[in-house]
Amino acid sequence: GAVVSQHPSWVICKSGTSVKIECRSLDFQATTMFWYRQFPKQSLMLMATSNEGSKATYEQGVEKDKFLINHASLTLSTLTVTSAHPEDSSFYICSALPGQGQETQYFGPGTRLLVL
Amino acid sequence: QKEVEQNSGPLSVPEGAIASLNCTYSDRGSQSFFWYRQYSGKSPELIMFIYSNGDKEDGRFTAQLNKASQYVSLLIRDSQPSDSATYLCAVNKGFADKLIFGTGTRLQVFP
Repeated sequence: GAVVSQHPSWVICKSGTSVKIECRSLDFQATTMFWYRQFPKQSLMLMATSNEGSKATYEQGVEKDKFLINHASLTLSTLTVTSAHPEDSSFYICSALPGQGQETQYFGPGTRLLVL
Repeated sequence: QKEVEQNSGPLSVPEGAIASLNCTYSDRGSQSFFWYRQYSGKSPELIMFIYSNGDKEDGRFTAQLNKASQYVSLLIRDSQPSDSATYLCAVNKGFADKLIFGTGTRLQVFP
């Protein structure tokens, strides 16, 4: 149980285009999902916290107009990187919190983004 | 001072030995403590979590928490080459709160 998927696993795009990444909880409902970014040889940095049906809470320094987060249902959150640039190239990882008294976050497999 | 600090390593141990990974945190309000393992190019996977002072054992893994000293550790007994990975310590301040990650310790278990 507690499986989280992400799609796509890899994406290569040209500078200036927008990229959408999906995060799905497959066998549970997630009231809260988190989006992280990890640059090479660095740790995970939280970008934003996403709650179903409400606006995401962004961490300091993360541009909310550039990284659009939509948590439309209890099993799906999306992250859209708008007008991507090479410096946005990174490993994007989502996690989901099952709720119902559980505190453990379950991570998706990650999406590697390369912006040319 | 970083909120969660870990020695980046690498920590090299021979197969069969005990690997000891340490983590300190700065916020005394931290409530829950997690250890994740991350293989190169993969996302983190949960090893175990601990809330209370003392030891918590799960198979070959033992987490130790000392809130007075603000440190948490992970012991891996009978280390295997497959344990070679980066181990991330994470803390939060309460239920459903965001996780704050350390930078991770790279563990190398050699045959």
